[in-house]
Amino acid sequence: DIVMSQSPSSLAVSVGEKVTMSCKSSQSLLYSSNQKNYLAWYQQKPGQSPKLLIYWASTRESGVPDRFTGSGSGTDFTLTISSVKAEDLAVYYCQQYYSYPFTFGSGTKLEIK
Amino acid sequence: EVQLQQSGPELVKPGASVKISCKTSGYTFTEYTMHWVKQSHGKSLEWIGGINPNNGGTSYNQKFKGKATLTVDKSSSTAYMELRSLTSEDSAVYYCARGGITTALYYYAMDYWGQGTSVTVSS
Repeated sequence: DIVMSQSPSSLAVSVGEKVTMSCKSSQSLLYSSNQKNYLAWYQQKPGQSPKLLIYWASTRESGVPDRFTGSGSGTDFTLTISSVKAEDLAVYYCQQYYSYPFTFGSGTKLEIK
Repeated sequence: EVQLQQSGPELVKPGASVKISCKTSGYTFTEYTMHWVKQSHGKSLEWIGGINPNNGGTSYNQKFKGKATLTVDKSSSTAYMELRSLTSEDSAVYYCARGGITTALYYYAMDYWGQGTSVTVSS
């Protein structure tokens, strides 16, 4: 199984600050035939279901604010929030869909100071 | 509007079984894979398995083979997951989530999620 590792496990920032969080996979998620990285980011707010933010490592899902940016390739990925809002309080998970079984990282909990 | 509406919370006794439903609307049910995901309290997410509603073909996480069975009812656009021989380790919230189109050569992220079904295993 592909192991997904996220860091940090939590971080606290002030509104307006820039945030970056990391996700690493135990093997490359770049599929050579289509040059796509099979990596998604989800946001889970307290008491809610996960919501898809980013897929193919850097494609924003429809309706997701452009302050959310995904980057990276191969085994190293980053989710950046350019200017945090209070509503961004959530746990962020990365997930690989390169191969079954799909696997998730342990999450990064974003807290607002 | 795509919607995945799951059945309500369940309180079940150890050793029993439970069947959770995920009723869909707003899209053609047979065209998209349906996945199931487990979230234990305060923990991360675990992929249980996926089903092709068009032909009933399934893929399971080895960890959940023998524990979970995925089925669909095409006539009602509803996916089901049955969990058997329940123990306290199975107490969790379970989500259904839509995956990619069933005819795709590749896998896709999960773009729509149900609201979750809480299963509590207790005597």
